[in-house]
Amino acid sequence: TQLLEQSPQFLSIQEGENLTVYCNSSSVFSSLQWYRQEPGEGPVLLVTVVTGGEVKKLKRLTFQFGDARKDSSLHITAAQPGDTGLYLCAGAIRGTYKYIFGTGTRLKVLA
Amino acid sequence: ETGVTQTPRHLVMGMTNKKSLKCEQHLGHNAMYWYKQSAKKPLELMFVYNFKEQTENNSVPSRFSPECPNSSHLFLHLHTLQPEDSALYLCASSQGLAGGGEQYFGPGTRLTVT
Repeated sequence: TQLLEQSPQFLSIQEGENLTVYCNSSSVFSSLQWYRQEPGEGPVLLVTVVTGGEVKKLKRLTFQFGDARKDSSLHITAAQPGDTGLYLCAGAIRGTYKYIFGTGTRLKVLA
Repeated sequence: ETGVTQTPRHLVMGMTNKKSLKCEQHLGHNAMYWYKQSAKKPLELMFVYNFKEQTENNSVPSRFSPECPNSSHLFLHLHTLQPEDSALYLCASSQGLAGGGEQYFGPGTRLTVT
Protein backbone atom coordinates (compact mmCIF):
# COMPACT_ATOMS: atom_id res chain seq x y z
CA THR A 1 0.00 0.00 0.00
CA GLN A 2 1.42 3.37 -0.99
CA LEU A 3 1.20 5.98 1.76
CA LEU A 4 2.28 9.57 2.11
CA GLU A 5 2.81 10.66 5.69
CA GLN A 6 2.70 14.35 6.45
CA SER A 7 4.06 15.98 9.57
CA PRO A 8 3.11 17.74 11.62
CA GLN A 9 -0.64 17.06 11.49
CA PHE A 10 -1.48 20.35 13.19
CA LEU A 11 0.48 23.55 13.55
CA SER A 12 -0.52 26.79 15.25
CA ILE A 13 2.00 29.62 15.03
CA GLN A 14 2.25 33.38 15.38
CA GLU A 15 2.40 35.70 12.41
CA GLY A 16 5.99 36.20 11.29
CA GLU A 17 7.27 32.77 12.33
CA ASN A 18 8.81 30.26 9.92
CA LEU A 19 7.63 26.68 9.53
CA THR A 20 8.34 23.50 7.59
CA VAL A 21 5.91 20.77 6.61
CA TYR A 22 7.19 17.33 5.61
CA CYS A 23 5.77 14.74 3.24
CA ASN A 24 7.39 11.29 3.38
CA SER A 25 6.91 7.96 1.66
CA SER A 26 8.73 4.73 0.95
CA SER A 27 7.46 4.91 -2.64
CA VAL A 28 9.00 6.73 -5.57
CA PHE A 29 6.81 9.24 -7.36
CA SER A 30 7.14 10.64 -10.87
CA SER A 31 6.16 14.06 -9.51
CA LEU A 32 4.75 15.57 -6.36
CA GLN A 33 2.19 18.31 -5.97
CA TRP A 34 1.37 20.59 -3.06
CA TYR A 35 -2.11 21.99 -2.50
CA ARG A 36 -3.75 24.34 -0.02
CA GLN A 37 -7.37 23.78 0.89
CA GLU A 38 -9.69 26.11 2.75
CA PRO A 39 -12.82 24.91 4.61
CA GLY A 40 -15.65 23.91 2.29
CA GLU A 41 -13.54 24.35 -0.85
CA GLY A 42 -11.50 22.11 -3.12
CA PRO A 43 -7.71 21.93 -2.93
CA VAL A 44 -5.89 24.62 -4.89
CA LEU A 45 -2.67 23.62 -6.61
CA LEU A 46 0.40 25.52 -5.35
CA VAL A 47 3.27 23.81 -7.13
CA THR A 48 4.46 20.67 -8.90
CA VAL A 49 7.99 19.33 -8.43
CA VAL A 50 9.28 16.76 -10.89
CA THR A 51 13.05 16.33 -10.66
CA GLY A 52 14.84 14.79 -7.66
CA GLY A 53 16.48 17.56 -5.64
CA GLU A 54 14.37 20.25 -7.29
CA VAL A 55 13.66 23.42 -5.34
CA LYS A 56 10.85 25.79 -6.31
CA LYS A 57 9.95 29.11 -4.72
CA LEU A 58 6.57 30.76 -4.71
CA LYS A 59 6.91 34.10 -2.90
CA ARG A 60 7.43 33.11 0.77
CA LEU A 61 6.91 29.39 0.09
CA THR A 62 9.83 27.09 -0.78
CA PHE A 63 9.19 23.56 -1.99
CA GLN A 64 11.81 20.83 -2.23
CA PHE A 65 11.63 17.37 -3.80
CA GLY A 66 13.92 14.76 -2.26
CA ASP A 67 16.80 13.40 -4.32
CA ALA A 68 15.18 9.94 -4.44
CA ARG A 69 11.74 11.43 -5.26
CA LYS A 70 10.22 9.80 -2.16
CA ASP A 71 9.80 12.87 0.02
CA SER A 72 9.19 16.58 -0.10
CA SER A 73 9.09 19.61 2.15
CA LEU A 74 7.28 22.92 2.19
CA HIS A 75 8.90 25.82 4.03
CA ILE A 76 7.00 29.03 4.74
CA THR A 77 8.95 32.13 5.71
CA ALA A 78 7.32 34.84 7.82
CA ALA A 79 3.91 33.19 7.91
CA GLN A 80 0.83 35.36 7.57
CA PRO A 81 -2.80 34.75 8.61
CA GLY A 82 -3.65 34.29 4.92
CA ASP A 83 -1.46 31.17 4.91
CA THR A 84 -3.97 29.44 7.21
CA GLY A 85 -5.41 26.28 5.68
CA LEU A 86 -4.96 22.57 5.09
CA TYR A 87 -1.79 21.74 3.17
CA LEU A 88 -1.82 18.53 1.15
CA CYS A 89 0.91 16.77 -0.77
CA ALA A 90 0.10 14.33 -3.56
CA GLY A 91 2.44 11.92 -5.31
CA ALA A 92 1.87 10.88 -8.92
CA ILE A 93 2.21 7.16 -9.73
CA ARG A 94 4.13 6.76 -12.97
CA GLY A 95 2.26 5.13 -15.83
CA THR A 96 -1.16 5.51 -14.20
CA TYR A 97 -3.76 8.17 -13.60
CA LYS A 98 -3.40 7.77 -9.84
CA TYR A 99 -2.31 10.30 -7.23
CA ILE A 100 -1.67 9.31 -3.61
CA PHE A 101 -2.57 12.05 -1.16
CA GLY A 102 -0.89 12.80 2.12
CA THR A 103 -2.63 12.90 5.46
CA GLY A 104 -2.59 16.71 5.49
CA THR A 105 -1.17 19.44 7.72
CA ARG A 106 -3.63 21.89 9.21
CA LEU A 107 -1.91 25.26 9.68
CA LYS A 108 -3.27 28.16 11.67
CA VAL A 109 -1.40 31.45 11.68
CA LEU A 110 -2.43 33.83 14.45
CA ALA A 111 -2.29 37.58 13.97
CA GLU B 1 -17.01 29.50 -16.49
CA THR B 2 -13.43 28.42 -16.05
CA GLY B 3 -11.66 25.52 -14.35
CA VAL B 4 -13.65 22.74 -12.75
CA THR B 5 -17.21 23.30 -11.58
CA GLN B 6 -19.38 21.08 -9.41
CA THR B 7 -23.09 21.10 -8.64
CA PRO B 8 -24.75 21.09 -6.25
CA ARG B 9 -22.40 22.56 -3.64
CA HIS B 10 -24.45 21.12 -0.80
CA LEU B 11 -26.76 18.10 -0.73
CA VAL B 12 -28.78 16.52 2.04
CA MET B 13 -30.40 13.20 1.22
CA GLY B 14 -32.11 10.37 3.00
CA MET B 15 -30.83 6.83 2.82
CA THR B 16 -33.55 5.81 0.35
CA ASN B 17 -33.12 8.76 -2.02
CA LYS B 18 -31.46 8.80 -5.43
CA LYS B 19 -29.43 11.84 -6.39
CA SER B 20 -26.62 12.78 -8.76
CA LEU B 21 -23.54 14.95 -8.48
CA LYS B 22 -22.31 16.77 -11.57
CA CYS B 23 -18.83 17.90 -12.55
CA GLU B 24 -17.74 19.87 -15.60
CA GLN B 25 -14.23 20.84 -16.61
CA HIS B 26 -13.40 23.67 -19.00
CA LEU B 27 -9.65 22.97 -19.21
CA GLY B 28 -9.58 20.63 -22.20
CA HIS B 29 -8.25 17.79 -20.04
CA ASN B 30 -8.69 14.12 -20.89
CA ALA B 31 -8.83 12.61 -17.38
CA MET B 32 -11.47 13.19 -14.72
CA TYR B 33 -11.58 11.96 -11.12
CA TRP B 34 -13.92 11.51 -8.19
CA TYR B 35 -12.46 11.72 -4.69
CA LYS B 36 -14.04 11.39 -1.26
CA GLN B 37 -12.77 13.55 1.59
CA SER B 38 -13.85 12.58 5.09
CA ALA B 39 -12.76 14.17 8.34
CA LYS B 40 -9.40 12.90 9.59
CA LYS B 41 -8.76 10.78 6.48
CA PRO B 42 -6.62 11.40 3.41
CA LEU B 43 -8.37 12.06 0.13
CA GLU B 44 -9.64 8.75 -1.19
CA LEU B 45 -9.59 8.17 -4.93
CA MET B 46 -12.90 6.67 -6.07
CA PHE B 47 -12.93 6.61 -9.86
CA VAL B 48 -10.82 7.79 -12.77
CA TYR B 49 -11.91 8.24 -16.38
CA ASN B 50 -9.68 8.83 -19.38
CA PHE B 51 -11.52 9.99 -22.50
CA LYS B 52 -14.79 8.49 -21.15
CA GLU B 53 -13.20 5.14 -20.31
CA GLN B 54 -13.00 4.12 -16.67
CA THR B 55 -9.39 3.37 -15.75
CA GLU B 56 -9.65 3.12 -11.96
CA ASN B 57 -12.33 1.87 -9.59
CA ASN B 58 -10.91 1.90 -6.10
CA SER B 59 -13.18 -0.82 -4.68
CA VAL B 60 -16.04 1.64 -4.34
CA PRO B 61 -19.42 0.23 -3.18
CA SER B 62 -22.00 -0.17 -5.94
CA ARG B 63 -24.28 2.42 -4.33
CA PHE B 64 -21.94 4.92 -6.05
CA SER B 65 -22.27 4.77 -9.82
CA PRO B 66 -20.10 7.01 -12.02
CA GLU B 67 -20.93 8.15 -15.53
CA CYS B 68 -18.68 9.97 -17.98
CA PRO B 69 -20.56 10.82 -21.20
CA ASN B 70 -17.64 12.84 -22.62
CA SER B 71 -14.25 14.12 -21.49
CA SER B 72 -15.75 17.35 -20.10
CA HIS B 73 -18.53 15.95 -17.93
CA LEU B 74 -18.56 13.52 -15.04
CA PHE B 75 -21.46 12.40 -12.88
CA LEU B 76 -21.72 10.44 -9.66
CA HIS B 77 -25.08 8.77 -9.20
CA LEU B 78 -25.99 8.02 -5.59
CA HIS B 79 -28.57 5.58 -4.25
CA THR B 80 -29.31 3.93 -0.90
CA LEU B 81 -26.39 5.66 0.76
CA GLN B 82 -25.34 5.18 4.37
CA PRO B 83 -24.66 7.89 6.98
CA GLU B 84 -20.93 7.08 6.77
CA ASP B 85 -21.02 8.23 3.15
CA SER B 86 -21.43 11.80 4.38
CA ALA B 87 -18.33 13.65 3.15
CA LEU B 88 -16.99 16.24 0.75
CA TYR B 89 -16.98 14.80 -2.77
CA LEU B 90 -14.37 16.36 -5.01
CA CYS B 91 -14.04 16.22 -8.76
CA ALA B 92 -10.72 16.84 -10.48
CA SER B 93 -9.26 16.80 -13.97
CA SER B 94 -5.82 16.48 -15.48
CA GLN B 95 -4.16 16.19 -18.86
CA GLY B 96 -2.30 12.96 -19.56
CA LEU B 97 -1.05 10.39 -17.09
CA ALA B 98 -0.34 11.17 -13.44
CA GLY B 99 2.85 13.16 -13.24
CA GLY B 100 2.54 14.21 -16.83
CA GLY B 101 0.01 16.91 -16.12
CA GLU B 102 -1.24 18.75 -13.08
CA GLN B 103 -4.50 17.90 -11.35
CA TYR B 104 -7.07 20.63 -10.76
CA PHE B 105 -9.99 20.35 -8.37
CA GLY B 106 -13.51 21.66 -8.27
CA PRO B 107 -15.00 23.26 -5.13
CA GLY B 108 -16.65 20.02 -4.02
CA THR B 109 -20.13 18.89 -3.02
CA ARG B 110 -20.78 18.62 0.71
CA LEU B 111 -23.01 15.56 1.07
CA THR B 112 -24.96 14.77 4.21
CA VAL B 113 -26.83 11.46 4.43
CA THR B 114 -29.57 11.40 7.04
